[in-house]
Amino acid sequence: DAKTTQPPSMDCAEGRAANLPCNHSTISGNEYVYWYRQIHSQGPQYIIHGLKNNETNEMASLIITEDRKSSTLILPHATLRDTAVYYCIVRVFGSSNTGKLIFGQGTTLQVKP
Amino acid sequence: NAGVTQTPKFQVLKTGQSMTLQCAQDMNHNSMYWYRQDPGMGLRLIYYSASEGTTDKGEVPNGYNVSRLNKREFSLRLESAAPSQTSVYFCASSEMMGNTIYFGEGSWLTVV
Repeated sequence: DAKTTQPPSMDCAEGRAANLPCNHSTISGNEYVYWYRQIHSQGPQYIIHGLKNNETNEMASLIITEDRKSSTLILPHATLRDTAVYYCIVRVFGSSNTGKLIFGQGTTLQVKP
Repeated sequence: NAGVTQTPKFQVLKTGQSMTLQCAQDMNHNSMYWYRQDPGMGLRLIYYSASEGTTDKGEVPNGYNVSRLNKREFSLRLESAAPSQTSVYFCASSEMMGNTIYFGEGSWLTVV
């Protein structure tokens, strides 16, 4: 699986959009971009994933650049409960994947009042 | 809909004792996993079960055994606990291998 690079920490004001970047310049054509978050040692929570098109769900939006070498997770209206460590992961989607998830250091997002 | 449920949440063991971590999912998923997370180490895959009736080793299987009891349940057993097994353990499941993985809340295990 391709390696990802994320800033170690970011701050965001409550109610504002949080934009979390991720670089994955060695991503392969069959690898998806996944985002998880972990709130204070709880289980990792799935947020969103995508291949090349932008994706949106009830939690967030995922913007992937045309060359797929980077992406941005957008939390449109951050709340204090969004304070967490956010992990960007790239992995193959499909039956060949053994379930190995490589969680890097992630980005610690601090949402401030 | 509880998702992935793990028990117990907290456990303290003495070196050499045995115990079983229980996991159940109610999402009708075929694949289940056990991970451990140590400080600064990220998640490491211990064992996984691609489907009912099958189990396979992950990255760090030594000192553990697993049982896929049925489609819902996947247990992790420590036969002779060691201090190096002090960690947070996460059970997870996915509809099929390679699909999106959903995690339980974790079990904190301390071996003294």
